[in-house]
Amino acid sequence: NAGVTQTPKFQVLKTGQSMTLQCAQDMNHEYMSWYRQDPGMGLRLIHYSVGAGITDQGEVPNGYNVSRSTTEDFPLRLLSAAPSQTSVYFCASSKPGQSYEQYFGPGTRLTVT
Amino acid sequence: GNSVTQMEGPVTLSEEAFLTINCTYTATGYPSLFWYVQYPGEGLQLLLKATKADDKGSNKGFEATYRKETTSFHLEKGSVQVSDSAVYFCALSRTNDYKLSFGAGTTVTVRA
Repeated sequence: NAGVTQTPKFQVLKTGQSMTLQCAQDMNHEYMSWYRQDPGMGLRLIHYSVGAGITDQGEVPNGYNVSRSTTEDFPLRLLSAAPSQTSVYFCASSKPGQSYEQYFGPGTRLTVT
Repeated sequence: GNSVTQMEGPVTLSEEAFLTINCTYTATGYPSLFWYVQYPGEGLQLLLKATKADDKGSNKGFEATYRKETTSFHLEKGSVQVSDSAVYFCALSRTNDYKLSFGAGTTVTVRA
């Protein structure tokens, strides 16, 4: 199993550009989520999904969009990048019955200039 | 709402020293509690967990006990190694809820 994979690993965007951060898992996990990590703030939940076709907002959803067309994939779209979105983004997945243990991807470091 | 407060870092220790990272939480009901570790350049890995009061989670020499009376879940290790250098996150999830609330993270550096 590859676990949770994320691409790209690094990305630099100009203000106003859009892009999609990819996340995939091969563990047949129903639950997937996106977090952003900022210094001194821990990880904050952006969006999450409890299954294909179902998504919901987390703590900091503004400026981001998600969809879940398959169990495996959960892409995060930045609609119009802003410097405040400079961060490290982590995708995570979990399966019911595992005491809510979440498996994290390696992260995408995004810089918006 | 739910929140997690953990001891601010950075923490610098010598090898074989005792490590404690304090974590307290605010939540309704009986949350599950976790410690995640992030090694340099990597994603987060679950280090240990406890799902009910008085449970002790343990892994790789680390321990933490779920104390409901003090709403705490302090992480301890008796003898740290250089390889324990990492960022440690305390986190919680409410009952039947996958969403995690994280503390700010504590950076630990162990020197040989």
